[in-house]
Amino acid sequence: RKEVEQDPGPFNVPEGATVAFNCTYSNSASQSFFWYRQDCRKEPKLLMSVYSSGNEDGRFTAQLNRASQYISLLIRDSKLSDSATYLCVVNRGTGNQFYFGTGTSLTVIP
Amino acid sequence: EAQVTQNPRYLITVTGKKLTVTCSQNMNHEYMSWYRQDPGLGLRQIYYSMNVEVTDKGDVPEGYKVSRKEKRNFPLILESPSPNQTSLYFCASSRGRTHYEQYFGPGTRLTVT
Repeated sequence: RKEVEQDPGPFNVPEGATVAFNCTYSNSASQSFFWYRQDCRKEPKLLMSVYSSGNEDGRFTAQLNRASQYISLLIRDSKLSDSATYLCVVNRGTGNQFYFGTGTSLTVIP
Repeated sequence: EAQVTQNPRYLITVTGKKLTVTCSQNMNHEYMSWYRQDPGLGLRQIYYSMNVEVTDKGDVPEGYKVSRKEKRNFPLILESPSPNQTSLYFCASSRGRTHYEQYFGPGTRLTVT
């Protein structure tokens, strides 16, 4: 079983739509969780860390459900510039070992 | 400017010819990692380092070596590259301890023929 699983999509949504991505992780000992954004084979860039209480950054909201072992990312009022691949990342918390999902592709359509 | 740099950005080589991909960060980060990204498989960690002279294997270490002699540098060495090591490689660094947010280099696209 993969450490981290994501729906690959693609998600094609109109501008202004709200879209949600989910990601599940298999190791209950996982401690730190992140969403990264990757544009067309460029380097991943940190979008946001995910905290137990949930957190929000502008149009982006991340949630963590430890009981069900999933994390989610909600994007409100989608912009064309949000088109990218979103990567779910998990760290077991024992050091520098990270596990990436394969990514969810989002295209925002005018 | 805070950054992670990698060189070369593109490399085409032949099977068996040793190569090194350099990685350097200027943020005084303790943690550094190497990843490879392949279609359908996502990013997979090759090796990581939690400090100078401290390195450990990630998920796919076979065929690779690393060293961490200085805090800022973390080169990836392919002693005898093979075609299955054709991939997009990323170096990343993070502050470490409880700060796991990673900053990535621009990537190195390697083709082994």
